[in-house]
Amino acid sequence: GAVVSQHPSWVICKSGTSVKIECRSLDFQATTMFWYRQFPKQSLMLMATSNEGSKATYEQGVEKDKFLINHASLTLSTLTVTSAHPEDSSFYICSAREAGFIPEAFFGQGTRLTVV
Amino acid sequence: QQQVKQSPQSLIVQKGGIPIINCAYENTAFDYFPWYQQFPGKGPALLIAIRPDVSEKKEGRFTISFNKSAKQFSLHIMDSQPGDSATYFCAASTSGTYKYIFGTGTRLKVLA
Repeated sequence: GAVVSQHPSWVICKSGTSVKIECRSLDFQATTMFWYRQFPKQSLMLMATSNEGSKATYEQGVEKDKFLINHASLTLSTLTVTSAHPEDSSFYICSAREAGFIPEAFFGQGTRLTVV
Repeated sequence: QQQVKQSPQSLIVQKGGIPIINCAYENTAFDYFPWYQQFPGKGPALLIAIRPDVSEKKEGRFTISFNKSAKQFSLHIMDSQPGDSATYFCAASTSGTYKYIFGTGTRLKVLA
């Protein structure tokens, strides 16, 4: 399957600072990328859909100003958690799919964010 | 209507057993149903997927059974191994948005 690389794998930051997470499709062009949040022993909750060259679409209840998403190229999307607080600590996962009518989405390895 | 209900929440089987995980949905617009395997601290990995025009699909030891009229689908793992111990998620999506709605997950443990 296609490879999606997420960086960093884990990050610890101080409360009030911002953290950027990168999601790259390594061997295909991803017109659409998705960002999920997963709490321990829970399912994946979609945060936003990111389309290359356009603004991200956020799910209901997700703060746009808190979670900034940029999809500037066909292989890279970034999620920036701004002014992070301990409640933002979670496992963040991206997925990517190719252009066209291909429904398969491939997931990155996830980023464990801990805000202290 | 956007939910995907998954059961059981957890499952323990002996090595060689055939765990079965079930999912049900309401939205008839869903047209793609993948299953993902996730190990602790890792991202989900696609196992197998099915479209509603097929009633069964098999890939290696993994089989999806799909019942369109009942709006249910299930994952069977043949000859399960301890290495299959993981959390399994079903999902559903529609053409157009391709957004995945995930089930709640099933934690599978295969005893040696």
